Amino acid sequence: DSGVTQTPKHLITATGQRVTLRCSPRSGDLSVYWYQQSLDQGLQFLIQYYNGEERAKGNILERFSAQQFPDLHSELNLSSLELGDSALYFCASSVRTGDGDTQYFGPGTRLTVL
Amino acid sequence: AQTVTQSQPEMSVQEAETVTLSCTYDTSESDYYLFWYKQPPSRQMILVIRQEAYKQQNATENRFSVNFQKAAKSFSLKISDSQLGDAAMYFCAYRRLGGGSEKLVFGKGTKLTVNP
Repeated sequence: DSGVTQTPKHLITATGQRVTLRCSPRSGDLSVYWYQQSLDQGLQFLIQYYNGEERAKGNILERFSAQQFPDLHSELNLSSLELGDSALYFCASSVRTGDGDTQYFGPGTRLTVL
Repeated sequence: AQTVTQSQPEMSVQEAETVTLSCTYDTSESDYYLFWYKQPPSRQMILVIRQEAYKQQNATENRFSVNFQKAAKSFSLKISDSQLGDAAMYFCAYRRLGGGSEKLVFGKGTKLTVNP
């Protein structure tokens, strides 16, 4: 158990819908990262937050957004869902930024868009 | 942009034997970190081992060790005394040091099968 929690574990929804994925980092970790794992794209970085502020963006679609709250938990919002958004979404956390800290991954949320 | 290449989509090993998974990467940075993560059928991403580029000594964690060749930009993982529980997807990952995003850049993965 990495100490990172993600809810829900599974999510099945229809095209055009909107969903919210939730992540709670390890106690004391300030950085949260979101990754998408799909068969065709592999593991791709989406976005990073550090202590409530957006720090870096990767291959995140405009239909996707995220935020980190004062209690450091994070949410990833996916809207206008398409079949291609079906994937495993991971959250990871690390203690601080800029110093090579290891990222610890949550169990992931499996999103299926029908 | 940094890239990570794992040239072996699948590997197999006999229980108790040794296997080496290959990884090469491309970067213009001199300071960075390299990681191996394991993803068993449960899909959880588990850190196996980490290497700082400024350290010449190869990292070791129990049965897992790396062969880090900085000039060749090579970072292979050796698993000794393979166990059935080692069966998983293994991902090599790169992370730059400081200066903006600390994102991990992953390879496509190597599926390791352990035969009894």
